[in-house]
Amino acid sequence: DIQMTQSPSAMSASVGDRVTITCRASQGISNYLGWFQQKPGQVPKRLIYAASTLQSGVPSRFSGSGSGTEFTLTISSLQPEDFATYYCLQHNSFPLTFGGGTRVEIK
Amino acid sequence: EVQLVESGGGLVQPGGSLRLSCAASGFTFSDHAMDWVRQAPGKGLEWVGRATHKTHGYTTEYATSVRGRFTISRDDSKNSLYLQMDSLKSEDTAVYYCTRVPSGPRAPIDSWGQGTLVTVSP
Repeated sequence: DIQMTQSPSAMSASVGDRVTITCRASQGISNYLGWFQQKPGQVPKRLIYAASTLQSGVPSRFSGSGSGTEFTLTISSLQPEDFATYYCLQHNSFPLTFGGGTRVEIK
Repeated sequence: EVQLVESGGGLVQPGGSLRLSCAASGFTFSDHAMDWVRQAPGKGLEWVGRATHKTHGYTTEYATSVRGRFTISRDDSKNSLYLQMDSLKSEDTAVYYCTRVPSGPRAPIDSWGQGTLVTVSP
């Protein structure tokens, strides 16, 4: 199985901060990676697919990059509604695997 | 509007069985592969498995942790997805989400149901 190592597991940040979350795959997955946001009590929501394509309706402060084994999700200027847990998902090969999640908390 | 509604969750003893259902609407169900994803209380997301659609031969794929115990099936005539869970363990306790995989070029899950809670406990 492909292991997805996500870091950090948690972080504290302030409104307006630039936030970067990383996912590393244990083997190459091309660009078959998505990023999801989950707020407490809510279902996950897809933010980015194909590593860098922004889901329609998602604010442009979110961006994704990477290919192969290393990927990043960047929030250029953190907003109050962005405090949530973020997950990456590789769908290059079965079984699909999620990263462990990054909880973004208010500093 | 895509709607995915799970049902069938509940309390079951270790070693027992449970069958979850997912009723889909708002899209052409037969054109899409469908995944089950679960989330243990306070934990992260875990992909459980996939039912592909006719174009891909209605094949199924499973996570290592459930292979041989869980079976995914679908009934396109009823726009429904199922998850048969046997030999349940305490670590299977989770909210189970029915999710849709986009048709067309490969892309990850794009829609989620609200989930149904499965509790495995004596």
